[in-house]
Amino acid sequence: DTEVTQTPKHLVMGMTNKKSLKCEQHMGHRAMYWYKQKAKKPPELMFVYSYEKLSINESVPSRFSPECPNSSLLNLHLHALQPEDSALYLCASSQAPQSGHNSPLHFGNGTRLTVT
Amino acid sequence: ELKVEQNPLFLSMQEGKNYTIYCNYSTTSDRLYWYRQDPGKSLESLFVLLSNGAVKQEGRLMASLDTKARLSTLHITAAVHDLSATYFCAVTVPTSGTYKYIFGTGTRLKVLA
Repeated sequence: DTEVTQTPKHLVMGMTNKKSLKCEQHMGHRAMYWYKQKAKKPPELMFVYSYEKLSINESVPSRFSPECPNSSLLNLHLHALQPEDSALYLCASSQAPQSGHNSPLHFGNGTRLTVT
Repeated sequence: ELKVEQNPLFLSMQEGKNYTIYCNYSTTSDRLYWYRQDPGKSLESLFVLLSNGAVKQEGRLMASLDTKARLSTLHITAAVHDLSATYFCAVTVPTSGTYKYIFGTGTRLKVLA
């Protein structure tokens, strides 16, 4: 069983919809990440939160809006997406960055998003 | 621009054979990670390599790191069908007070019975 929980597992949304992806971890990790993965491609970094603050935004379009309400939760709000945004969205967490970056990422099972 | 390249991109091999996957990266990083991903599934951490010359082994898989050459290898010994998956290496890059984990291009391994 994964220690990073993502909901929903699958999501189908229209281009005018607003939806949210949710991620939760209870490992005490203070860094949380959103990755996007297209079929047969590596995960592509979108956002990094460190101590609940947004540290890295990889020039992601504003139709993706991340939120970190507390150290255990990470959301990704979606609005006016395009069909090309269809992908597997992976949440991950790691130990506090300042403690050294030798901690592997712990991934959730992902949300498979289809935009119609 | 940071590049993390793996080769081969696709590997089909017979059970019982040995093979090596290579991961080359363009930045100075002394941390390297290997992950496994089964089709339709998430990524599972396999190895964390923390220093030059580090070697880790788990079952039929052995990973090593040469930070001077910016090269890591994942060696498969006597492959079995259960090892069929996609394998990714990843390096960390310090950025804005935290770290990015950048993934390699991936190697799709298919082990034939």
